[in-house]
Amino acid sequence: KNQVEQSPQSLIILEGKNCTLQCNYTVSPFSNLRWYKQDTGRGPVSLTIMTFSENTKSNGRYTATLDADTKQSSLHITASQLSDSASYICVVSEAGGGNKLTFGTGTQLKVEL
Amino acid sequence: DGGITQSPKYLFRKEGQNVTLSCEQNLNHDAMYWYRQDPGQGLRLIYYSQIVNDFQKGDIAEGYSVSREKKESFPLTVTSAQKNPTAFYLCASSGQVNNEQFFGPGTRLTVL
Repeated sequence: KNQVEQSPQSLIILEGKNCTLQCNYTVSPFSNLRWYKQDTGRGPVSLTIMTFSENTKSNGRYTATLDADTKQSSLHITASQLSDSASYICVVSEAGGGNKLTFGTGTQLKVEL
Repeated sequence: DGGITQSPKYLFRKEGQNVTLSCEQNLNHDAMYWYRQDPGQGLRLIYYSQIVNDFQKGDIAEGYSVSREKKESFPLTVTSAQKNPTAFYLCASSGQVNNEQFFGPGTRLTVL
């Protein structure tokens, strides 16, 4: 069964600090991995997308890494801001037809003053 | 939220009633999806449609129905057969580029 596991489940950091979120997956065959940011009560918004051949992708203060051999990904947030408070969801796409996605349960990040 | 709209934002329903959630997109995407989000769980696929007048069941289709009469619209009906309908419902659409799915703002359904 395809699975995506994220850690930690929740995290509290001070504004200006860095943090790293983890994602492990067992989806096969692998197509791509995405990180989404979801504000409370809103729909998820894509941050990065990586295919098998990419091992890092940046979007401003967000940097995602992918190790396809160990089936692990991380999302690093630099110089956190209050507006980074949200749920971060790792999503893995299965190769083949249907664009089937497997979603992680998310890491709830809270940035405090 | 891109060019996808969902309405209403909040919806209250009495037990035994059917309700329909609206999803519209102006992105000219062929594929559309409905997901359900519950606390502590990942998004789960209810139904998806890859082309007009065609749709397939997802992982948790029981108690739900959909239609795809127009490319822009993919309404979801939550029927009285759905035993635990209280949840946050998300609609998404995708085009050809990376098959990336763009999500709407969601509808929170509460059964009273």
